[in-house]
Amino acid sequence: DAKTTQPTSMDCAEGRAANLPCNHSTISGNEYVYWYRQIHSQGPQYIIHGLKNNETNEMASLIITEDRKSSTLILPHATLRDTAVYYCIVRVRNYGQNFVFGPGTRLSVLP
Amino acid sequence: GAVVSQHPSWVICKSGTSVKIECRSLDFQATTMFWYRQFPKQSLMLMATSNEGSKATYEQGVEKDKFLINHASLTLSTLTVTSAHPEDSSFYICSARVKGAEAFFGQGTRLTVV
Repeated sequence: DAKTTQPTSMDCAEGRAANLPCNHSTISGNEYVYWYRQIHSQGPQYIIHGLKNNETNEMASLIITEDRKSSTLILPHATLRDTAVYYCIVRVRNYGQNFVFGPGTRLSVLP
Repeated sequence: GAVVSQHPSWVICKSGTSVKIECRSLDFQATTMFWYRQFPKQSLMLMATSNEGSKATYEQGVEKDKFLINHASLTLSTLTVTSAHPEDSSFYICSARVKGAEAFFGQGTRLTVV
């Protein structure tokens, strides 16, 4: 699986958009970009994933650059409950394999 | 999304005793489940892959005789920490994937060995 690089931490004001970047310059053609988050003392929660097109769901939007070497997770209107560690994971879509978690980005949403 | 349930959410046990943690897929069948461990301020680390009807596959450095995994049905995998010691205190998380969909995680079990 390709390696990802994320900032260690970020702050965001409540109600504003939170933009979380992820670099994955060695991504290969059949690897997807996945985002999960982990709120304190809970298991990871799936947010969104994509291959090359931008994706949007009820939680967030995923913007993938045309060369697929980086992506941005956007939480359009961050709330205090969005404070969590956000993990960007790049891997093939094989249901028999696990996810490898890096350190992620600790997002703090401030009142 | 699919629901993965862990039980118990937290447990305190005495050193030397064994603790069993259950992981259930509530609304789907999971031929493969994964067990992770997370120490404070660290990321999740895969311990083992649990396959229904066969032996689990352990990651390097994880003692299979200490962390017993049983995946007896398509909806249940168990992790038993045998002869637990304080250094086994951690947050244990299971995961399961729905074929053709994404991985879903249990809420985690916080184990404290005293």
